[in-house]
Amino acid sequence: EDQVTQSPEALRLQEGESSSLNCSYTVSGLRGLFWYRQDPGKGPEFLFTLYSAGEEKEKERLKATLTKKESFLHITAPKPEDSATYLCAVPPSGGSNYKLTFGKGTLLTVNP
Amino acid sequence: SQTIHQWPATLVQPVGSPLSLECTVEGTSNPNLYWYRQAAGRGLQLLFYSVGIGQISSEVPQNLSASRPQDRQFILSSKKLLLSDSGFYLCAWSVPVEQFFGPGTRLTVL
Repeated sequence: EDQVTQSPEALRLQEGESSSLNCSYTVSGLRGLFWYRQDPGKGPEFLFTLYSAGEEKEKERLKATLTKKESFLHITAPKPEDSATYLCAVPPSGGSNYKLTFGKGTLLTVNP
Repeated sequence: SQTIHQWPATLVQPVGSPLSLECTVEGTSNPNLYWYRQAAGRGLQLLFYSVGIGQISSEVPQNLSASRPQDRQFILSSKKLLLSDSGFYLCAWSVPVEQFFGPGTRLTVL
């Protein structure tokens, strides 16, 4: 069974204090890893797709990286507006493409 | 560009009442469509998905049902709501794999 584990569950940073969120996964054949951002009371917003180990994607202060067992979301010099829950997800290793396995998320709070 | 709409945004319903939540997608054809529920402090739970008109797959046995009467319309229904149906309901679409979510409906069953 595919599994996705995110850590930490919650992270509190001061504005400008860089850090990383972790997403570890267990799938027999990775067909992509997705990162989302979710603000309170809103639907998840798609951020990145990573397909192979070594791949990196960047968007503003966020950079996502992928290894064979985990992905990191690096946040450089965060601002209060980066506060949100960050989710990662993987598609099934076999069969249909439809059922993503989501982690439970990391709640990031950036204090001014 | 593609957009996804959900309504209503919030809903308060008594136990035992019916439910109908609607989701529509614009700017794409033949999308896969999904209904998720997100309970407070818990992860995303896939409820239903659809790969085409009239094709519905259920992930979790419960008193909810889904229908897809048109290519870009997905409806979540219940004949009688339970207290445990309260939550944040999200519709999503994908072509082919990455899923994009709607704004959600906050349902409170009293």
